[in-house]
Parts: sequence; C-alpha cells; structure tokens
Amino acid sequence: ELKVEQNPLFLSMQEGKNYTIYCNYSTTSDRLYWYRQDPGKSLESLFVLLSNGAVKQEGRLMASLDTKARLSTLHITAAVHDLSATYFCAVDRGEAAGNKLTFGGGTRVLVKP
Amino acid sequence: DAMVIQNPRYQVTQFGKPVTLSCSQTLNHNVMYWYQQKSSQAPKLLFHYYDKDFNNEADTPDNFQSRRPNTSFCFLDIRSPGLGDAAMYLCATSRETGRYYEQYFGPGTRLTVT
Repeated sequence: ELKVEQNPLFLSMQEGKNYTIYCNYSTTSDRLYWYRQDPGKSLESLFVLLSNGAVKQEGRLMASLDTKARLSTLHITAAVHDLSATYFCAVDRGEAAGNKLTFGGGTRVLVKP
Repeated sequence: DAMVIQNPRYQVTQFGKPVTLSCSQTLNHNVMYWYQQKSSQAPKLLFHYYDKDFNNEADTPDNFQSRRPNTSFCFLDIRSPGLGDAAMYLCATSRETGRYYEQYFGPGTRLTVT
C-alpha cells in the first residue's frame, strides 16, 4: 500500500524568508502532483512532476522530484502572506492501479508579517 | 468555460436521511472521481467511473453509492448519513486514466449532518 508523508504538518513562516516542504512516499512512482487549498475551497493544481529530476517553478514556488529517493520538495522563496494555505502532495499509484492518487496529509502554511 | 460543477455547494442533512450530491462536467472527460475530505485531513478517494465502469475503493463504506447516468453527470448518494460523514466532497475528472492525464477538481460540496 502506498503511503505518502508530508512534513512539516504546520509551517509558520516569516515574510521574506525561504522554506521547504517535504513529501516522501513509500513505493515506486514517477508522477507527483502539488496542490494548494485555501480554507473551505477546492484543490488548485500547482505542479505536475512527471519524471526523475523534474523541476518546475512558478513565481515564488519551486517543486522537484527525486524518484530514486522517493522524495519531492516544494520550496518557497521569500514568503509572502498570499502564500498562506494548505499544500498537498499527491502520488500517482501507477497504471496497474488506474493512475489513482494518494494524498499526503497536507502542510498548513501561515505566513506572518 | 469548460469546467467541473458541483451542486449544491453546501448541503445540510439530518442523521439517517438520504442525501445526493451532484457533479457535472463540460470537459467531456471519460473518468470521474469522488473524494471525501474531512476537516484538516487529506482528500480520500471513494470511487471512480471510467466511462460507465464503476470502481470502488476497498475501504469505501457501503453507505456510499454512486451513479453515472451519462458522460456529463455523476452523483454521490449517501444512504444513511452519520455524523462522521460530515465532510467536503470533491468531484474530479480526467480525460483518461494514465500518467499524462491530469485530474481537474470541482469546487466541492460541504456536507453537514445534524
């Protein structure tokens, strides 16, 4: 059974500083998503990482995937208040499992002035 | 705009009273998913349809059923809601299953059970 663990579960950030969220998973997969969720809202897709070594960047967010280490990171550069949200990673279970997703537990981010 | 629509956005039902949540899509995608997300937890897949083929997750309670009468619509029926079924229910679609096909999420329906 695929297990996906995120850490930290909660991250209090100061504006202007850099932080990293980690997503570890237990079985082989080469496709991983990052989502953002605001309170009471649905999931907003941030990144889709499709291969080992994939790196994607959008604004202050950068995501990477190391399939050998079964690790993805979401790096936040110079945090701003607008980035306060919960961030989820989700791992594709593979074709045999119908490419269904297993989500990590989420990291709640609060950016303070 | 093509999209995934969920109705209602907020639903209140009584303990034990059947309730149906609705999802529709204008993307013409083959696959539709239902997720349950309890407060401060990750989304959990309940089941999905590939076209008319229904796929249940092993740990989805029998209390949850789904119908997909056509490509555009999918319904989640909760036969006898309990207090533990209060959650956000998310519908998602995907053109196909496969590593290159992304899931698109609807806005969700927040279910309250009184």
